[in-house]
Amino acid sequence: NAGVTQTPKFQVLKTGQSMTLQCAQDMNHEYMSWYRQDPGMGLRLIHYSVGAGITDQGEVPNGYNVSRSTTEDFPLRLLSAAPSQTSVYFCASSWTGLTGGELFFGEGSRLTVL
Amino acid sequence: GQQLNQSPQSMFIQEGEDVSMNCTSSSIFNTWLWYKQEPGEGPVLLIALYKAGELTSNGRLTAQFGITRKDSFLNISASIPSDVGIYFCAGTGGSNYKLTFGKGTLLTVNP
Repeated sequence: NAGVTQTPKFQVLKTGQSMTLQCAQDMNHEYMSWYRQDPGMGLRLIHYSVGAGITDQGEVPNGYNVSRSTTEDFPLRLLSAAPSQTSVYFCASSWTGLTGGELFFGEGSRLTVL
Repeated sequence: GQQLNQSPQSMFIQEGEDVSMNCTSSSIFNTWLWYKQEPGEGPVLLIALYKAGELTSNGRLTAQFGITRKDSFLNISASIPSDVGIYFCAGTGGSNYKLTFGKGTLLTVNP
């Protein structure tokens, strides 16, 4: 199994451009989430979803949109990129919720906004 | 939001030495987890703790869920070069769907 797959792995944007980071999992996990990782800041939760059609905000949701139309996919959209969104983004999934569920991470997507 | 204070920020040790790192919080957590991240990869779960006072081992790794539910530690015994990486503590508090991460401990092991 592929596990959690993120694309693209690297992306450079100009300020104001929009883009979508793709995330797909083939483990039939109900729970999916997006984190960003910045030096010295650890991982911070952006948005999460507990099932198809259900999404909610995490710790740092501003500037990002998500949707969950299928169990497998959870794309993260940047509508108007800003330099402050330069980061490494990780998608993660789990069976259901987090209590008792191991979080599986993708390999990350490195985004640079100029 | 909830915050986790993880220490130390970095460690430089010799192969064979034991390592200890910890995480504290001002609020109660319901679960504590420890992850390891290697360069260019996503974090991987090492140990999960679900009950106050719980002590769990995974090979050379041992972690404990503090009795106050506000702290946890991770010990690595007899370190080896492949232990190099960033170790994160994480936990769930008020919401079982929001995992809060510490800022990480960068471990370097000199052969």
